[in-house]
Amino acid sequence: SQTIHQWPATLVQPVGSPLSLECTVEGTSNPNLYWYRQAAGRGLQLLFYSVGIGQISSEVPQNLSASRPQDRQFILSSKKLLLSDSGFYLCAWSVFSLRRDFYGYTFGSGTRLTVV
Amino acid sequence: SQQGEEDPQALSIQEGENATMNCSYKTSINNLQWYRQNSGRGLVHLILIRSNEREKHSGRLRVTLDTSKKSSSLLITASRAADTASYFCAAGTNSGGYQKVTFGTGTKLQVIP
Repeated sequence: SQTIHQWPATLVQPVGSPLSLECTVEGTSNPNLYWYRQAAGRGLQLLFYSVGIGQISSEVPQNLSASRPQDRQFILSSKKLLLSDSGFYLCAWSVFSLRRDFYGYTFGSGTRLTVV
Repeated sequence: SQQGEEDPQALSIQEGENATMNCSYKTSINNLQWYRQNSGRGLVHLILIRSNEREKHSGRLRVTLDTSKKSSSLLITASRAADTASYFCAAGTNSGGYQKVTFGTGTKLQVIP
């Protein structure tokens, strides 16, 4: 069965420090991968998505970047964190919709990032 | 801007009652999804209804879709305290090789035992 792992669960980082959040998927190949951010009490904002290795699309210009070094690995990074980067970060995957029917997202358990 | 907007923003009911949440969206879609989020956790996919479907059931969940009104509803029957969570609708549209999915701001449901 397919599973998605996201870590760490919580993170407290000082302003100006770097960031690396990792997400891995098991049990499927060539997934679409996504990074979302959720502000407190709000909906989800799509940050990045990837349809293949090395293919990253950004939805919102910001202080963050993403990389996909392997088929089932998605990394969210920042060189220097800002206070406004605080939030709940969620990784998700879905099937590649041109080849297979889309059935919705499977989300990771999230990372609570607090920038102090 | 948000594609999906839920109504109401918050809902409090007694255990055993039915809970209805509504979602409106702005543009044509391929599918409409509903997710559940327990406090501080990731979202869990509940059900997906495609644009050519009008109603779908899954256990105690019933989802309807009215593409002419650009709206959907989620009904949870015989609610339980464990149903307490936030519920999000998400509108899906085909965009090249992936589904562009836009989430609403959610309905916070509290089921009182």
